Amino acid sequence: EVQLVESGGGLVQPGGSLRLSCAVSGFTVTKYDMIWVRQAPGKRLEWVCFISGSSGATYCVDSVKGRFIISADTAKNSLYLQMNSLRDKDSALYYCARGAGTNWGQGTLVTVSS
Amino acid sequence: DVAMTQSPLSLPVTLGQPASISCRSSQRLVYSDGNTYLTWFHQRPGQSPRRLIYQVSNRDSGVPDRFSGSGSGTDFTLKISRVEAEDVGVYYCIQHSLWPWTFGQGTKVEIK
Repeated sequence: EVQLVESGGGLVQPGGSLRLSCAVSGFTVTKYDMIWVRQAPGKRLEWVCFISGSSGATYCVDSVKGRFIISADTAKNSLYLQMNSLRDKDSALYYCARGAGTNWGQGTLVTVSS
Repeated sequence: DVAMTQSPLSLPVTLGQPASISCRSSQRLVYSDGNTYLTWFHQRPGQSPRRLIYQVSNRDSGVPDRFSGSGSGTDFTLKISRVEAEDVGVYYCIQHSLWPWTFGQGTKVEIK
């Protein structure tokens, strides 16, 4: 059974950092395209970052480029999102998902506030 | 960036009646491999999204056949042939043919 479980969210001050994790079971995380998607309260879904399962290439939305890094670890079968220089607008529920949304985790909440 | 525009944004429906949601893209969504990467999700309150339809018209396993997707180019539609109570929630389209991937605003379906 495919499962994705996010963790690592929390309250952080503007300018701070967080590392989100997505523990995967039922498939090997590095063999699939994986994404992070976020959703601010009452707002639409927003795609954040992508990592290719075939090449390892990564892409992120412009608003997080240079601040967020997506990565994956075969040994821990986990996906990560390193978030630096956090801003108020980064506050959201962050989901990891396989492919373009075949399977989703339950989300982890990030709140950026002083 | 490709703008994805859904309509309507709110859709009150009567149980057993059909419903239709439009998703229009600001650019054609045909990828270099010839496929169109337009996907539909359903999100119930307090839950993660669930994929319903991928590549415009392919229904996911376990998705009731009352859901169907159609369209091409820049105009896409999700149809529910007979709305059931469990269909309430927000429906999103997403294009993943072009970077950055972009979602529509969402269409909230509720029962009248």
